Amino acid sequence: QQQVKQSPQSLIVQKGGISIINCAYENTAFDYFPWYQQFPGKGPALLIAIRPDVSEKKEGRFTISFNKSAKQFSLHIMDSQPGDSATYFCAAGGTSYGKLTFGQGTILTVHP
Amino acid sequence: NAGVMQNPRHLVRRRGQEARLRCSPMKGHSHVYWYRQLPEEGLKFMVYLQKENIIDESGMPKERFSAEFPKEGPSILRIQQVVRGDSAAYFCASSPQGQANEKLFFGSGTQLSVL
Repeated sequence: QQQVKQSPQSLIVQKGGISIINCAYENTAFDYFPWYQQFPGKGPALLIAIRPDVSEKKEGRFTISFNKSAKQFSLHIMDSQPGDSATYFCAAGGTSYGKLTFGQGTILTVHP
Repeated sequence: NAGVMQNPRHLVRRRGQEARLRCSPMKGHSHVYWYRQLPEEGLKFMVYLQKENIIDESGMPKERFSAEFPKEGPSILRIQQVVRGDSAAYFCASSPQGQANEKLFFGSGTQLSVL
């Protein structure tokens, strides 16, 4: 019940394209859904986050879409750039302090 | 303002030795979390500490693992009698207030290799 499932495991996109990463959760008590970006040799860094009272949140080229009834959420990266190449993790939390349940990660490669 | 500092960056231990991983949270942060990342897996919660208190250690193996966050000094994750399965990247994160939807600031991690 605590799982967060993330897909795809890896994604290759051309520069300027749209990258889409999907996540599904099981625990309906989750009410905080962040996305973290991780570059090789670095720790994850918060990219964008959403609460379930909204269906979409946009920050620059990054958008989270949230479907509460389906218990799914996704990250869309518009106009993908080579500098976006990184591993992306979705997560779910909000039940207690900063305890997050992470997805398995998606390795994004953006070709020039 | 320095970020979350973890050391060492890389740690090599032989089976049966002890591993000590250190984490200094961001200035002003009194809430520390440890996460473990196995190859090709996401991060798994291990333990949540406030100064001098372990709040939640539900993700930490009951044997061989311990954590502390003393009044003075860094948080320490200690692994006794390491085994090959302990090889992983260990990340520390901190936050200012320990709230449920608060941003976590992660360090660059310690890569533990057990020979």
